[in-house]
Amino acid sequence: GENVEQHPSTLSVQEGDSAVIKCTYSDSASNYFPWYKQELGKRPQLIIDIRSNVGEKKDQRIAVTLNKTAKHFSLHITETQPEDSAVYFCALGGGYNKLIFGAGTRLAVHP
Amino acid sequence: DSGVTQTPKHLITATGQRVTLRCSPRSGDLSVYWYQQSLDQGLQFLIQYYNGEERAKGNILERFSAQQFPDLHSELNLSSLELGDSALYFCASSVAVRAARGDEQFFGPGTRLTVL
Repeated sequence: GENVEQHPSTLSVQEGDSAVIKCTYSDSASNYFPWYKQELGKRPQLIIDIRSNVGEKKDQRIAVTLNKTAKHFSLHITETQPEDSAVYFCALGGGYNKLIFGAGTRLAVHP
Repeated sequence: DSGVTQTPKHLITATGQRVTLRCSPRSGDLSVYWYQQSLDQGLQFLIQYYNGEERAKGNILERFSAQQFPDLHSELNLSSLELGDSALYFCASSVAVRAARGDEQFFGPGTRLTVL
């Protein structure tokens, strides 16, 4: 069915450490996996996305990995900075018109 | 600035009232999506329109309705408002009708609705 589980719900790291957020899903029809960042009181913004024919994608300090067999995908942020502090949402696309969003992960990066 | 505009930015009203939220998509985008985000909650999909037609429905209450006009702007109507309807309402737009195509959804700045 249309469901995505996101973990952890909160994540606290020290500046410079890495952060990993994982999402699992069940619908095999999913073929598009975007990640959105939402700063407090602001709009969600796409930070990276991946399609099902690719296993990994990087953009500077962020990367997304996808394991279609195990039905999970993860966001990796390296060398975290205080401005990375936000809520991150994973989402699923494919087989339906809407994106299915995870519940979100609140990331806090401490200087 | 995503190119998606929403008005008003803030709305304070009383229980039982009716309000209309407005969204103008990015130029060229045909799909409009409406989301509700309650305090400290995720993004709950409400409804999608594509080129004037309803294409997908989520957990939208019967008291809520939406439409997309020929100029592609969309309105979300909320009636018989309850305290629990207080939330941030986002609209988003994209070129494609299907998220599967990988076209990014661009979010507007949101309308913060407070029901007293």
